Amino acid sequence: DAKTTQPPSMDCAEGRAANLPCNHSTISGNEYVYWYRQIHSQGPQYIIHGLKNNETNEMASLIITEDRKSSTLILPHATLRDTAVYYCIVRRTLDDKIIFGKGTRLHILP
Amino acid sequence: GAVVSQHPSWVICKSGTSVKIECRSLDFQATTMFWYRQFPKQSLMLMATSNEGSKATYEQGVEKDKFLINHASLTLSTLTVTSAHPEDSSFYICSAPAGEGRETQYFGPGTRLLVL
Repeated sequence: DAKTTQPPSMDCAEGRAANLPCNHSTISGNEYVYWYRQIHSQGPQYIIHGLKNNETNEMASLIITEDRKSSTLILPHATLRDTAVYYCIVRRTLDDKIIFGKGTRLHILP
Repeated sequence: GAVVSQHPSWVICKSGTSVKIECRSLDFQATTMFWYRQFPKQSLMLMATSNEGSKATYEQGVEKDKFLINHASLTLSTLTVTSAHPEDSSFYICSAPAGEGRETQYFGPGTRLLVL
């Protein structure tokens, strides 16, 4: 399984873009990159996923490098409600399991 | 997105009793569901895969006789913590794949268990 590496914590000013990096240097060609976040005492919330191309939805943008060894989740205008632990996950190919790493604790500063 | 619910949202029980937690997919069918456990300040740990119509598959180190899983229908999976002890106190979360190609996992809100 490909594993991911994320910084343990990050700060971002409210209203600014939050850029969360993730390294997944051992990712296989058919494995997707998923991002979830977990707000305190809640279940994880799906944000976005991608394979090769950059993706954008109403919540965020996902930028995947050409070699697919790393990616960045971008929250374009962070608000206090975006304070959460963000998990970058590479989806296993053998089944639907999602294995969580330690994630990045994002603090949005007022 | 798809909606997954859990019941109860929290439960307190005495040591030695059994506790059942339900996980439901509200607007889609799920032949597979997943159960996770999360201790304070830690990440989610996958416990087992619940399979509709067949036995659950457990991750290494998870006691199948301790954590009984039943996938009774295409919208319901239950996790029973048998003979609960204080060390079983945790946040239990389920998920189910949905969407086109079942590409996305949707998570329930979690059940907080406190064993006294």
